[in-house]
Amino acid sequence: GENVEQHPSTLSVQEGDSAVIKCTYSDSASNYFPWYKQELGKGPQLIIDIRSNVGEKKDQRIAVTLNKTAKHFSLHITETQPEDSAVYFCAASGPTGNQFYFGTGTSLTVIP
Amino acid sequence: GAGVSQTPSNKVTEKGKYVELRCDPISGHTALYWYRQSLGQGPEFLIYFQGTGAADDSGLPNDRFFAVRPEGSVSTLKIQRTERGDSAVYLCASSLTPAGGPSTDTQYFGPGTRLTVL
Repeated sequence: GENVEQHPSTLSVQEGDSAVIKCTYSDSASNYFPWYKQELGKGPQLIIDIRSNVGEKKDQRIAVTLNKTAKHFSLHITETQPEDSAVYFCAASGPTGNQFYFGTGTSLTVIP
Repeated sequence: GAGVSQTPSNKVTEKGKYVELRCDPISGHTALYWYRQSLGQGPEFLIYFQGTGAADDSGLPNDRFFAVRPEGSVSTLKIQRTERGDSAVYLCASSLTPAGGPSTDTQYFGPGTRLTVL
């Protein structure tokens, strides 16, 4: 099955700096890659996603890049704010598309 | 509804007991998913419903776990003879149409049920 690896596991940045989280996947048939933000005691919330027919997508301070050849994708958050502090998960769709395989999460702390 | 809801938010039970966890998906969403999240880990897929039928139950860990969705809306995850290792947050998600192919749809997650087996 699909294997998703995520790095780093923890990340601390100063407010206003950028944060980058990287993920790799193993199954070349995966075609959908969402990123979720999870705050303490809450369910994951979708923040951005990308499909395999595009290489980059941006939504205000958040961007995601996808390299299909290398089978890796990254989340970029610019001008970080304290409210960006949370655990972020990457995911990849499985070969049938009806389940997601999640990374192990990155705990992001933005220091005011 | 406004979002996916799950009840109860917390459930504490004793080893060997039976528990039921409920999920109310977003209105109109035909696909429903159950995931399990252990501490410090990402969600792990359990089962996927398309309408009333379980289209993929390959993630259920053993036959103590069962889920139903009799009317194609609300779903119940049932765990028999609970074990301490079943302790986790159980997440439910729903999407508008079946995921798959070139137009995989976004899965919207509920807040989860935290299950603790003593």
